[in-house]
Order: sequence, then structure tokens, then C-alpha cells
Amino acid sequence: QVQLVQSGAEVKKPGASVNVSCKASGYTFTTYTIHWVRQVPGQSLEWMGWINAGNGNTKYLQKFQGRVTITMDTSASTAYMELTSLRSEDTAVYYCARGLGGRWFDPWGQGTLVTVSS
Amino acid sequence: DIQMTQSPSSLSASVGDRVTISCRASQSISTYLSWYQQKPGKAPKLLMHTASSLQTGVPSRLSGSGSGTHFTLTISSLQPEDSATYYCQQSYSSPLTFGGGTKVEIK
Repeated sequence: QVQLVQSGAEVKKPGASVNVSCKASGYTFTTYTIHWVRQVPGQSLEWMGWINAGNGNTKYLQKFQGRVTITMDTSASTAYMELTSLRSEDTAVYYCARGLGGRWFDPWGQGTLVTVSS
Repeated sequence: DIQMTQSPSSLSASVGDRVTISCRASQSISTYLSWYQQKPGKAPKLLMHTASSLQTGVPSRLSGSGSGTHFTLTISSLQPEDSATYYCQQSYSSPLTFGGGTKVEIK
């Protein structure tokens, strides 16, 4: 079945960077986009950006421009999200999700908790 | 950016009740609206897209309607497994944005 499996929880100090991976299986990786969405504890969902797994094109939310980079390794059917210059407000669960048709998301990865604390 | 506003933010209803959740967009988004269900500690799950297209495997007691700026998610007969937070999401234009969520509890 179609599945996205993310890397494990991370604890980082302010100013550090984090790299979260998202391994896809059950479908042709290059046929779809991969989106990254984060959820601060107790809050709603915030779309961060996406990568077109067919051509590598990316688009990011303006507020993360310059701090976030989404990449991929098609040979490993894996997408990556790197967030730099971490601050406490970046403590959140980060999800990857496959983008379909008109940019709705299915399925989602299980989520990766990133905790930023000194 | 398109703002998505959900109401109510939470509700409590009994098993068998009809429940309606509203989602309003700050500008017209045609039918580029999706709904997700999220249970505690779990990833969101796609329920429907293009406002009213039910995702495979989602119970038919859930339905969606609307176009333009006003959308609704209806649960025709609330079941215990429907206890969750529901989010709407617009895909009309970038950046893609979500509503604030509606928490549904069972009395």
C-alpha cells in the first residue's frame, strides 16, 4: 500500500539545523509531489512547501524562505526537509504528505517531532 | 494569502446526532477545498477533496458541500469513532492554507 515513513524524533539546540527524511513506497515516487506541513503542539496545520518529485522543482512558504530546503533522492524514493537557524517556536511535529491532483494530501507520514530547546 | 475560518472551534454531540462544521474562505476558491480528520497523536487523514468528493474508504455518513467561499462538512449520524479534530484546506492558490480546526467530542 502507499506509505510514507519519516525519520525519528529530534532534539536540537537553538541555532542548529534539522533534517527530516520521508521515504515513500507503494507508488512511483516521481509521479507525484511531496509536501511538508508542520503542527505546533495544540495548534493547526501549516503548509511549509513542496517538491515536484518528477523534476525537483520546489516552492516554499514565504515565512520559511531562506531557512527551509526540500530535496529528494529519487533512487531512494525519499524526500528531505532541512530547517536551519532553529528557534524554540520551531518546536512542532513535521509531516510529509503526498500531493494529489489539485494539491490535496494523501497519505501523510507518521510525523516527526522536532524539539528545539537549550 | 487566503484565510480559512472554521466554526465552531469545538462541539459536543451525542451518538446519532447530525453534525455540521463550517469553513469559510477569505476569497472565492471555487471547489478547491479538502477536509481532513485528525485523531490525537496521529497524522491527518484525507476525508474528501474538491469540496464533496469522498475519499475511498471514508464512511458515507460524511458528506461535503459548498463552493466559492462557504463550505460545510456534515456527519449525518455521529458515531464514537468520529471523535476527532477536523480541518479544511484550500488548494486554490499558493500558499496552501488550513482552517483552525473543529474538535468534535461525543457526549
